[in-house]
Amino acid sequence: AQKITQTQPGMFVQEKEAVTLDCTYDTSDPSYGLFWYKQPSSGEMIFLIYQGSYDQQNATEGRYSLNFQKARKSANLVISASQLGDSAMYFCAMRERETGANNLFFGTGTRLTVIP
Amino acid sequence: DAGVTQSPTHLIKTRGQHVTLRCSPISGHKSVSWYQQVLGQGPQFIFQYYEKEERGRGNFPDRFSARQFPNYSSELNVNALLLGDSALYLCASSPPGRSGEQYFGPGTRLTVT
Repeated sequence: AQKITQTQPGMFVQEKEAVTLDCTYDTSDPSYGLFWYKQPSSGEMIFLIYQGSYDQQNATEGRYSLNFQKARKSANLVISASQLGDSAMYFCAMRERETGANNLFFGTGTRLTVIP
Repeated sequence: DAGVTQSPTHLIKTRGQHVTLRCSPISGHKSVSWYQQVLGQGPQFIFQYYEKEERGRGNFPDRFSARQFPNYSSELNVNALLLGDSALYLCASSPPGRSGEQYFGPGTRLTVT
C-alpha cells in the first residue's frame, strides 16, 4: 500500500485565491511526522511546513497551513492568497519513527499553476 | 549560511559505467540522506548516514553505495549504470536533534545513455 497518496496530479488557482492540496497517508506507527515540500522547476526541494502526529494544533507557516485530520489520515496543505511564484510541484511526505532511519516517504506530487 | 551543495549539477554517462555524486551538508549538520527522483515521481529514499555510519537503506540494489567523511560530506556511488538510473539525485542534511527536518540540495541530474 502507498504510504502517501496525492490524488491531484494538477491544480489551477487564481492569483490571490486560496487553494487546498490533498494528501492522505497510511501508517500503523503511532509516532510520525508529516511534511510538505515545494519543488520549483529548478529541482530543489523547499521545506514548507511540518506536523507531528501528537501535535494538537494544525501547523501554520505564513501563508501555509496544514489541515491535519488524524482520524481520516489526511494532511492537506492550504495556501492562502496564492502568488504567481507559488506555481510549482508540491510533495507531501511522511517520516515514521519505527523505521529508525531519517527517511521520508513521498507522494507523487501535485503540480500547482497560479493563473494571473 | 550556505545551504546543501551538490556536485556535479548535470552528468551524462553510458550504460555500464560508474558514477560518483558528491554532497556537502549545511554547516553543523551531521546527518546526510540521499534520494532518487525519477521524472514524474516523488523522491525515493536511498541511504542515510549519521556520524559516518549508515543508519538506513532504501530498496535499492547493491550497485548503489555511499559513504560519509569526517567533515560530514558524502558520496553516492552507482556502479554498472542502467538506463533506469537516469534521475535527479537529491541530497538532504538534518540538524542535530531535529532529524525530522531535512534540507535539500539542488540535486544532480544524471542521464544514462
